[in-house]
Order: sequence, then structure tokens, then C-alpha cells
Amino acid sequence: ETGVTQSPTHLIKTRGQQVTLRCSSQSGHNTVSWYQQALGQGPQFIFQYYREEENGRGNFPPRFSGLQFPNYSSELNVNALELDDSALYLCASSYDTNQPQHFGDGTRLSIL
Amino acid sequence: AQKITQTQPGMFVQEKEAVTLDCTYDTSDQSYGLFWYKQPSSGEMIFLIYQGSYDEQNATEGRYSLNFQKARKSANLVISASQLGDSAMYFCAMREFLTGTASKLTFGTGTRLQVTL
Repeated sequence: ETGVTQSPTHLIKTRGQQVTLRCSSQSGHNTVSWYQQALGQGPQFIFQYYREEENGRGNFPPRFSGLQFPNYSSELNVNALELDDSALYLCASSYDTNQPQHFGDGTRLSIL
Repeated sequence: AQKITQTQPGMFVQEKEAVTLDCTYDTSDQSYGLFWYKQPSSGEMIFLIYQGSYDEQNATEGRYSLNFQKARKSANLVISASQLGDSAMYFCAMREFLTGTASKLTFGTGTRLQVTL
């Protein structure tokens, strides 16, 4: 069974740029959630996609957006990058919205 | 809003000993789920164990068990026979149901466990 995979592993961007992070969900999982984990903190919920629709969102501005594709893989897009966006971005998939979430290895994003 | 509190920033335990990582939670929901995740320095979050609010028995998964005390709103993780590979950050999390079918995990601040020889 293939687990959750995220790409790229690391990324360096500058302020004002845009970035796209990718996530392939675990086989059979139709729900993908994205989290931001700043250094020394627990992950914070960004949003959740269920069957290609955003069905829940945390306290993040609209410049954080996403997509989910028919194969349930997902993208996280961040526009107008700010220094505070530097973090580990974690993708998690689950069989359904109320099942345990399984996480990928994350993408470390650094903003200079 | 839900809240998870982990009061132990760091813990040390000797190899082969048992250790308890504390977690308390606050919610007004009757139905909720509690999770523990392990995060090694590589960054991945590894699911360890789950406890539903209506489960009468404490959850167990191999060397991991969850000491669930509903009245005290605590969900402590017990790791038996610690191994060097258990050294990592440990996060307690609660599932919160949002509108419709959506749900999210609310995490605590984590406990860094160091296993020593």
C-alpha cells in the first residue's frame, strides 16, 4: 500500500513569490487535509478537501488555496509569500473525513 | 473551540523503562476522537493510537496504550519498554467536526521524548 507522498521535500522562495506544493494521497483515501507547522509548534489546520471540493478551512487568508484532483491527489498554492510562511507543510489523507489521518513527510518551505 | 494541552515540553526515559506523556483536552462536544502522533526529526507525522470518546476500553497498539480518563478530560500516552528509536516529538491531537462533513485535527504543542541508555 502506497503511503502519502509530498513534493518537493524542500523549497526556498523569496517574499512575494508564489509556490505550489503537491500531495499524493494514500491509495483508497478520498480526503486530504493540509497543515502548517511552524518551528517548535504543533501543526495548524489550513483546509480539507473531500472528493474534489474544499469542505473545511482554518484561519488562513485567501492567498492560501488548494485543489483536489479526480485521483484525490492535491495541491496547496500560496500567493504573495511572506516571511512568516516559512514552515513545514504537511499533507494528510484519510479514508473518509472521520477516519484517522495519515501524514506525508512534509515540505519544508523557507522564505528569504 | 477545542484545546489540547501538553504540559511536558521534554521528557527523559531510560531504555526498557515505561514512560507516560500527558495530554489534557477541552471540548464541549459529546463525540470526539483523540489521537497520538510521533514526529521524528525527519518531519513525518506517524499515527500511533486512537481513542473515541464513546470507547469504554483504553486503546492499545503494541507498546503504546492510551490512558483515557473522560471525567478528567485526559488522554495520556503510555509507552512501555522504551527503545532508542522512540526518541522523537509526540503530539496529542483531537478531531473536531466542522460544518458538513469536514473535520480537522487540533494539536497540542508536543512533548520531546529522549530515550537514554
